[in-house]
Amino acid sequence: DADVTQTPRNRITKTGKRIMLECSQTKGHDRMYWYRQDPGLGLRLIYYSFDVKDINKGEISDGYSVSRQAQAKFSLSLESAIPNQTALYFCATSDRTGDRQPQHFGDGTRLSIL
Amino acid sequence: QQQVKQSPQSLIVQKGGISIINCAYENTAFDYFPWYQQFPGKGPALLIAIRPDVSEKKEGRFTISFNKSAKQFSLHIMDSQPGDSATYFCAASMAGGTSYGKLTFGQGTILTVHP
Repeated sequence: DADVTQTPRNRITKTGKRIMLECSQTKGHDRMYWYRQDPGLGLRLIYYSFDVKDINKGEISDGYSVSRQAQAKFSLSLESAIPNQTALYFCATSDRTGDRQPQHFGDGTRLSIL
Repeated sequence: QQQVKQSPQSLIVQKGGISIINCAYENTAFDYFPWYQQFPGKGPALLIAIRPDVSEKKEGRFTISFNKSAKQFSLHIMDSQPGDSATYFCAASMAGGTSYGKLTFGQGTILTVHP
C-alpha cells in the first residue's frame, strides 16, 4: 500500500464546480504539502501544514483552500473551479525531525476543468 | 517569480552517454539543494541532495556539482540508461523562519535515454 494516497487519481469537471482533492498518509509525518505541476513551470507550492493547527499559504494559494482534518489527512479544495486550474496536483509529506527531511509524494491527481 | 531556473527543458541522450542538467538560483539564503526524479504516473522522489559546504556529491552514477560563487548546481548522470528516462527537478530550501522545510522547485527536465 502506498504511504501517501491521493484520491481521486483523475477528475474531469466543469467550470464553477466545487472540487475536493484528498490526501492521506501512513508515514506518521507532521508536515504535509499541496503542489500543482504544470509543464514548463515545475512544481509550485499551494499550501502547507506543519501540524494540525498550522496552515500556511504557498506561492499560488489564490483560488484554493485546505483543511487539515487530522495528522494523516490534508485536503485541497477549489471552491469554484476555473479552466486555468487544470493541472496535475500532488500531495507530499515530510518528517518534522530536522530541516532537511525528504518530501514523500503521492502519485498525483490529474484534474481537468472544462 | 522563479527563484530556481532549470535547463534544458528536455534532453535526449544515447545509452551510455552523460546527461547533464543545470540549475541556477538567486537567493543566497538557500542552503540545501536536492534533486527529485519523477517517472510517468508517479510522484517525484528524492534522488540525491547536497549542501553548499561541499562542491560535489556522488551516489552511484549520479553526481551533483555545486558552484557557490556562481550560484549554480548541476546533476550529472554517468552511463545513462533507458531506465533513467524520467523528469528531473532541482530544488532549493533555506533553514529557519517561515521558510523552514519548504522547497522551491525548478521547471523540470524531461530526460529520454535512447537504447
